[in-house]
Amino acid sequence: EAQVTQNPRYLITVTGKKLTVTCSQNMNHEYMSWYRQDPGLGLRQIYYSMNVEVTDKGDVPEGYKVSRKEKRNFPLILESPSPNQTSLYFCASSLAKNQPQHFGDGTRLSIL
Amino acid sequence: GEDVEQSLFLSVREGDSSVINCTYTDSSSTYLYWYKQEPGAGLQLLTYIFSNMDMKQDQRLTVLLNKKDKHLSLRIADTQTGDSAIYFCAESRGGSQGNLIFGKGTKLSVKP
Repeated sequence: EAQVTQNPRYLITVTGKKLTVTCSQNMNHEYMSWYRQDPGLGLRQIYYSMNVEVTDKGDVPEGYKVSRKEKRNFPLILESPSPNQTSLYFCASSLAKNQPQHFGDGTRLSIL
Repeated sequence: GEDVEQSLFLSVREGDSSVINCTYTDSSSTYLYWYKQEPGAGLQLLTYIFSNMDMKQDQRLTVLLNKKDKHLSLRIADTQTGDSAIYFCAESRGGSQGNLIFGKGTKLSVKP
């Protein structure tokens, strides 16, 4: 089954403790992206990747890192999480830029 | 600006048609999308329309696109209680970033 898989689905952690949210897709998509969803602000793009080893900042990249060592994986790294990064995070992928994007089920992060 | 606007709430009776409207700003958008988000779930790609089309029909769903007015609508025929969800309109941003610009979402409530 074609899908985008995120882990974990839920995480409660404390300020400053490094964490990684994994994202994997099995559709051989070139384009992958991370969004965060916040009440009243909608969905905003954090980082995106056009292909392996090609990543770039989205609209709200501060406090996040990503890597794209393999085509299928696009982890989101919070080196020193802070409470303002408490949010619902979505990974998405598409065949290429500007093609329809398929989303994972989301990861709800709470930073205390 | 880059806003995608949609009304926040819509309430209909089971069996009626629902029409969710959206206005967007980027005339260079390649695709326009409708995503569905059920409580506690991820974003499901419901349907999308290529920018050179006026209409797309898929079973109970009809998408209408008016490029001149930058207006997109989603009609759900014979609305069921299972259609209750938040519906997001999104446009693909032109240029190299390739991200989606989302509206704030329309919460559809279907009353039996």
